[in-house]
Amino acid sequence: DAGVTQSPTHLIKTRGQQVTLRCSPISGHKSVSWYQQVLGQGPQFIFQYYEKEERGRGNFPDRFSARQFPNYSSELNVNALLLGDSALYLCASSPGLAGQETQYFGPGTRLLVL
Amino acid sequence: GENVEQHPSTLSVQEGDSAVIKCTYSDSASNYFPWYKQELGKRPQLIIDIRSNVGEKKDQRIAVTLNKTAKHFSLHITETQPEDSAVYFCAASIWGSTLGRLYFGRGTQLTVWP
Repeated sequence: DAGVTQSPTHLIKTRGQQVTLRCSPISGHKSVSWYQQVLGQGPQFIFQYYEKEERGRGNFPDRFSARQFPNYSSELNVNALLLGDSALYLCASSPGLAGQETQYFGPGTRLLVL
Repeated sequence: GENVEQHPSTLSVQEGDSAVIKCTYSDSASNYFPWYKQELGKRPQLIIDIRSNVGEKKDQRIAVTLNKTAKHFSLHITETQPEDSAVYFCAASIWGSTLGRLYFGRGTQLTVWP
């Protein structure tokens, strides 16, 4: 049984650029959540999607956006990148609503903004 | 919102000794407390979780205790082994909510010396 997959694994961008990160949940999982993990800290919640609808948003600026596709995969977009956006971006999936199911994390995408 | 504090930030133990990591939370509505282990460069992996209707849960060498009155919970690892070396994160959430946002502590770097 394949786990949560994310692509790319690593990414280097410059300030002001835009980036798109991708996540494929575990087969059968309908909920995807995105977290940002800055070096030395715990993951911080960005978004949750369930059945293609946004169910929650953390304290992140509008430069961050996401969507979920009919196959339940998801994309996280970040516009106008800042140095402070450098982090590991984690995707987590759960079978149903994340508040009622265990969440399983992907390996993350490490983003470096120069 | 919820605030999760985790201590210590680093912990070194000799192989075979026990390790204890403590977390406190602020929101009395939180009722789900998972622990994640993250090895260097890898995804956070759920190792044990507890809900507020129980005070203690064990799984082989690891156990979690919860004191809901005091709003703190702890991870106990007995007979530590070098492969237990990793960063451990506690988290809090509201199980049963539609969101299931996880609030993480800052992590504890556990090093087990052979």
